[in-house]
Amino acid sequence: NAGVTQTPKFQVLKTGQSMTLQCAQDMNHNSMYWYRQDPGMGLRLIYYSASEGTTDKGEVPNGYNVSRLNKREFSLRLESAAPSQTSVYFCASSRGDGSYNEQFFGPGTRLTVL
Amino acid sequence: DQQVKQNSPSLSVQEGRISILNCDYTNSMFDYFLWYKKYPAEGPTFLISISSIKDKNEDGRFTVFLNKSAKHLSLHIVPSQPGDSAVYFCAASVTSGTYKYIFGTGTRLKVLA
Repeated sequence: NAGVTQTPKFQVLKTGQSMTLQCAQDMNHNSMYWYRQDPGMGLRLIYYSASEGTTDKGEVPNGYNVSRLNKREFSLRLESAAPSQTSVYFCASSRGDGSYNEQFFGPGTRLTVL
Repeated sequence: DQQVKQNSPSLSVQEGRISILNCDYTNSMFDYFLWYKKYPAEGPTFLISISSIKDKNEDGRFTVFLNKSAKHLSLHIVPSQPGDSAVYFCAASVTSGTYKYIFGTGTRLKVLA
């Protein structure tokens, strides 16, 4: 049981390049999330998907797009990377069944934009 | 506008003593709170939660206290162990059906052997 997996683990991009961060969960969870973690800023929500087929903006969505490909997978795309997007990105999932429950996090992707 | 605040960036405690991590929030609509623990190069892992209908929740060495009137929660770890050294995040949510959580900035706990 892998939980939440993310690829790649590390990535270096040049300004203006694009890339997609992949996330998959095998817990049959309805809800999925993308966060970024920056020093002194904690975890900030970029986008989330409350259920398959829906996506919504979080606190810091500018410069990102997401796709909920199916119940298992939720990808995050940077169309034109900027140095301000240098960060550690975490994907998370939760049951999303109408009751409060914790989020399970992946190991993170460390992205550097030069 | 930081709705969830952890004002202590770091904390050092001797092994065996109590660790107290604090969290303040500004949104009175928050009604569910969680604590996460994060080791370097890993994702956060869930530690303990509390609903606003309670003022205390215990799980082994970990206890979370909620003071709604002060909009304050705290995590107590007793006794502290070197393996507890990590960054701790508090998070809060409202009953809106969106399952979104707002995270604090984290407190780095170091337990000294």
